[in-house]
Amino acid sequence: DTEVTQTPKHLVMGMTNKKSLKCEQHMGHRAMYWYKQKAKKPPELMFVYSYEKLSINESVPSRFSPECPNSSLLNLHLHALQPEDSALYLCASSQGLAGAGHNGQFFGPGTRLTVL
Amino acid sequence: GDSVTQMEGPVTLSEEAFLTINCTYTATGYPSLFWYVQYPGEGLQLLLKATKADDKGSNKGFEATYRKETTSFHLEKGSVQVSDSAVYFCALSDRRGFKTIFGAGTRLFVKA
Repeated sequence: DTEVTQTPKHLVMGMTNKKSLKCEQHMGHRAMYWYKQKAKKPPELMFVYSYEKLSINESVPSRFSPECPNSSLLNLHLHALQPEDSALYLCASSQGLAGAGHNGQFFGPGTRLTVL
Repeated sequence: GDSVTQMEGPVTLSEEAFLTINCTYTATGYPSLFWYVQYPGEGLQLLLKATKADDKGSNKGFEATYRKETTSFHLEKGSVQVSDSAVYFCALSDRRGFKTIFGAGTRLFVKA
């Protein structure tokens, strides 16, 4: 299994809603990432987990809350988002942090988020 | 800090034409270099990689050579197909892998 899966594929939410994005991989990778991608732009790193511990938080607003319940799962909890948070949210994984430097990252298909 | 610069798109080619997408980088140390491809409505896929100077990465007819002397990693393909239409991202990562730095992306359109 060389796949990263993400659910849901699309999500529409209001500014007062609470929702969660889910990501799963079964490649035994120990590093997992959340990226945000706006239209016609490269992905922007949000969070990095290594061995289920948060390693990097790129000064992301607290309305985004990541969680890594186990080595295969990564969640992104959303609360009180703004319309400008509408974007494609990508999850990725690598063998480890060093693995990203040697073998690159595996990306999921993304969740297209629209905040009304 | 580290950075990646790609040629601006869009690039429009006819089927079977030769493709070059230029990529240059600035980095301390000896980064690994990557090309990722993003098809419409999808996530990024690793296309090819090179981890040291003079390495050539190749996949699906695409090639790129890690040139330390010119700090470049240009993507080439001898004969493009309509199915190659996508956005291509050049990227670098240091050996620790803490961060991957992406270029701005180059959109490729291939006409039949």
